[in-house]
Amino acid sequence: EAQVTQNPRYLITVTGKKLTVTCSQNMNHEYMSWYRQDPGLGLRQIYYSMNVEVTDKGDVPEGYKVSRKEKRNFPLILESPSPNQTSLYFCASRQGLETQYFGPGTRLLVL
Amino acid sequence: AQSVTQLDSQVPVFEEAPVELRCNYSSSVSVYLFWYVQYPNQGLQLLLKYLSGSTLVKGINGFEAEFNKSQTSFHLRKPSVHISDTAEYFCAVIRSNDYKLSFGAGTTVTVRA
Repeated sequence: EAQVTQNPRYLITVTGKKLTVTCSQNMNHEYMSWYRQDPGLGLRQIYYSMNVEVTDKGDVPEGYKVSRKEKRNFPLILESPSPNQTSLYFCASRQGLETQYFGPGTRLLVL
Repeated sequence: AQSVTQLDSQVPVFEEAPVELRCNYSSSVSVYLFWYVQYPNQGLQLLLKYLSGSTLVKGINGFEAEFNKSQTSFHLRKPSVHISDTAEYFCAVIRSNDYKLSFGAGTTVTVRA
């Protein structure tokens, strides 16, 4: 089954404690991205990757890092989380202009 | 630069009534256009997309959208809604130069009996 998986699905952490949200896709897609969803702001792109070792900033990259060492994985790293990073995060993948597949979301609370 | 504007943040509508959700975009390069739907407590799924060809595209669940290049719009319509259409709807565009996908702020549709 074609899917994008994210872990963890829910996370409560404290300010400054580094965390990683994993993302994996099994469709051999070249394009992967991370979004955060906040009420009234829709989905805003954090980072995207057009292929292995090729990443670029989205609209709201501050406070986040990503890596793309393998085609299937695209982890999101928060080196020093802050309360304004409390949000719902979605990983997504697609091939060219084909349908973008979204992960189930990770709900993050930073205290 | 590129932006996607959804003109209505909330759209209440009665069951079996028609609905139109408005989306305008601005871009310095050509774009491809999409509508996604997010049902309560779920992820996003594709409703329909315009890549080329006929400017009227039909999607799942009876939705359709029309691309208007001169007005840079891609409005979504359904002639008769159901309670189950209650969801948040997102307009999105992909830039032709870097294939970056950007979303509008979303329109919450609430269907009432």
